[in-house]
Amino acid sequence: AQSVTQLGSHVSVSEGALVLLRCNYSSSVPPYLFWYVQYPNQGLQLLLKYTTGATLVKGINGFEAEFKKSETSFHLTKPSAHMSDAAEYFCAVSVATGRRALTFGSGTRLQVQP
Amino acid sequence: EAQVTQNPRYLITVTGKKLTVTCSQNMNHEYMSWYRQDPGLGLRQIYYSMNVEVTDKGDVPEGYKVSRKEKRNFPLILESPSPNQTSLYFCASSLTSTRGTEAFFGQGTRLTVV
Repeated sequence: AQSVTQLGSHVSVSEGALVLLRCNYSSSVPPYLFWYVQYPNQGLQLLLKYTTGATLVKGINGFEAEFKKSETSFHLTKPSAHMSDAAEYFCAVSVATGRRALTFGSGTRLQVQP
Repeated sequence: EAQVTQNPRYLITVTGKKLTVTCSQNMNHEYMSWYRQDPGLGLRQIYYSMNVEVTDKGDVPEGYKVSRKEKRNFPLILESPSPNQTSLYFCASSLTSTRGTEAFFGQGTRLTVV
């Protein structure tokens, strides 16, 4: 069975600082990996996804993530945090077609300090 | 505008009083699912539907029912709600259940059972 672990339920950074949100996965088959963002009082929105090919994936709002098979990681980064990045971020994995389309991590709440 | 619409957004009810949360998508998506979001647990799948008249249990189906009589609608039914079903609920849809397909989420329904 697949699983996702997000290290750090809360991360706080200063505006302009690097954002690093950690995600590790467990899967017996090559995974497809996703990052979703949830702004206050809203549903989840896709930030980026990795399926196959290039391991560095660029998403919306300046975010990117790198798939590292040897480390079973898919960490999310942004070079310079903006106040509008304050939200909850979810890493998710998909390993099979059908029922379990997505398995989510427990989420990381990002705070951006002025 | 392509969207997933849930109603109501907020609901407070009493133990044992049947309720239905509606979900509708206008993207002609085959796959729909319901999740509940609880602090520290991320999103867990309740039920899913691969297509009209095809539904099945997710990870936490106890106490819930669903139906899929039309492609666009996927209501979530709580026949006898209990306080442990107090949660934030999300409906999601995707074009197919093929892994890697983006999921689109509704804005969520915050349910409180007293």
